[in-house]
Amino acid sequence: GAGVSQSPSNKVTEKGKDVELRCDPISGHTALYWYRQSLGQGLEFLIYFQGNSAPDKSGLPSDRFSAERTGGSVSTLTIQRTQQEDSAVYLCASRPSRGTDTQYFGPGTRLTVL
Amino acid sequence: AQTVTQSQPEMSVQEAETVTLSCTYDTSENNYYLFWYKQPPSRQMILVIRQEAYKQQNATENRFSVNFQKAAKSFSLKISDSQLGDTAMYFCAFRKTSGSRLTFGEGTQLTVNP
Repeated sequence: GAGVSQSPSNKVTEKGKDVELRCDPISGHTALYWYRQSLGQGLEFLIYFQGNSAPDKSGLPSDRFSAERTGGSVSTLTIQRTQQEDSAVYLCASRPSRGTDTQYFGPGTRLTVL
Repeated sequence: AQTVTQSQPEMSVQEAETVTLSCTYDTSENNYYLFWYKQPPSRQMILVIRQEAYKQQNATENRFSVNFQKAAKSFSLKISDSQLGDTAMYFCAFRKTSGSRLTFGEGTQLTVNP
């Protein structure tokens, strides 16, 4: 079946603008995660959804970052008043509720803030 | 808090040879999961292999195997008969059994030379 998809693939924005990044998890996967990968770095956890609720959002770096998930499916990560240090690849992953703890990743959105 | 360390930023190997990537981690947990993910230039994170800490037997997936030393908190990845398609960034990751986020190392860029 289809994997995790993310849109847009690339996003270039100006400093101070707001951006929305979208994640479509694998159908039926109840858990959804957002990670950030800065240039040459490992992945940094941002937020975790179980269904529509976020039991762990401790990785969000500031109050400019927020995320929501609706219908237990699509998730949107919003960054307000973008800064140059927000430039990174934002990766989404999903996991089924049972059977495996493996997280399946999407191709990511590369965000560039000018 | 958990930490994952990959001390080899870059490695190279000749096609058909064997290479070992190192990973160490620090945790006070007794039960947990360890993973190796591969990230080719396409950015897609692909699960290579996983190990459950309570299993003493080292995991194996075709040409990929791990050497899991729980007491030493070491989790190395061995790639046998290296292929050009193995060229990628490799990330070691840790997940608590009771938790949900993945904690990643900094990554090792592996290049397989013809």
